[in-house]
Amino acid sequence: GQNIDQPTEMTATEGAIVQINCTYQTSGFNGLFWYQQHAGEAPTFLSYNVLDGLEEKGRFSSFLSRSKGYSYLLLKELQMKDSASYLCAVMDSNYQLIWGAGTKLIIKP
Amino acid sequence: DVKVTQSSRYLVKRTGEKVFLECVQDMDHENMFWYRQDPGLGLRLIYFSYDVKMKEKGDIPEGYSVSREKKERFSLILESASTNQTSMYLCASSPPEDRVREQYFGPGTRLTVT
Repeated sequence: GQNIDQPTEMTATEGAIVQINCTYQTSGFNGLFWYQQHAGEAPTFLSYNVLDGLEEKGRFSSFLSRSKGYSYLLLKELQMKDSASYLCAVMDSNYQLIWGAGTKLIIKP
Repeated sequence: DVKVTQSSRYLVKRTGEKVFLECVQDMDHENMFWYRQDPGLGLRLIYFSYDVKMKEKGDIPEGYSVSREKKERFSLILESASTNQTSMYLCASSPPEDRVREQYFGPGTRLTVT
């Protein structure tokens, strides 16, 4: 079966760095997405990785290792507004997105 | 900017009622999707559509149907609402497959069935 695993909840301090991990087992691979979802709002796109390595976009970076079925989202210089759920999703061989349950990130002052 | 709108943010319906959830996107996207989101579970795909009048079942189509008569509009229909369909419903759209297939989401409809 297809499976995406990510931690349910994480806590970090304002100004610090946090890494949110995602491991996956899917039938085929056509890319991995990270989305941010604030409480009560729609998910918004953060990043897309299809090749191994690190993609940096401002304070956010996303890493992919296809051989290990592993990705992480790295958030630097955390701000209170980064408190949200972070969703990992993998596009399988049928070009369908398989979603993880999301990681709720709590930022403390 | 892509805009995806949904007809209602909150909806309360009674068991057995027929429920219509409407979704409209303004970016001429071919692909449109309906998901439900429940606590502790990932987004689950109900139905999707790659073109007008085309529809494909997702992972959990039972109890739902869809309609896509126009490219910009994708409707989700609960034929006879049940309490286990209480959930957050999210509509999304995406461009054709030759681009990064980022999905753009609407604000969601929180449906409560009593």
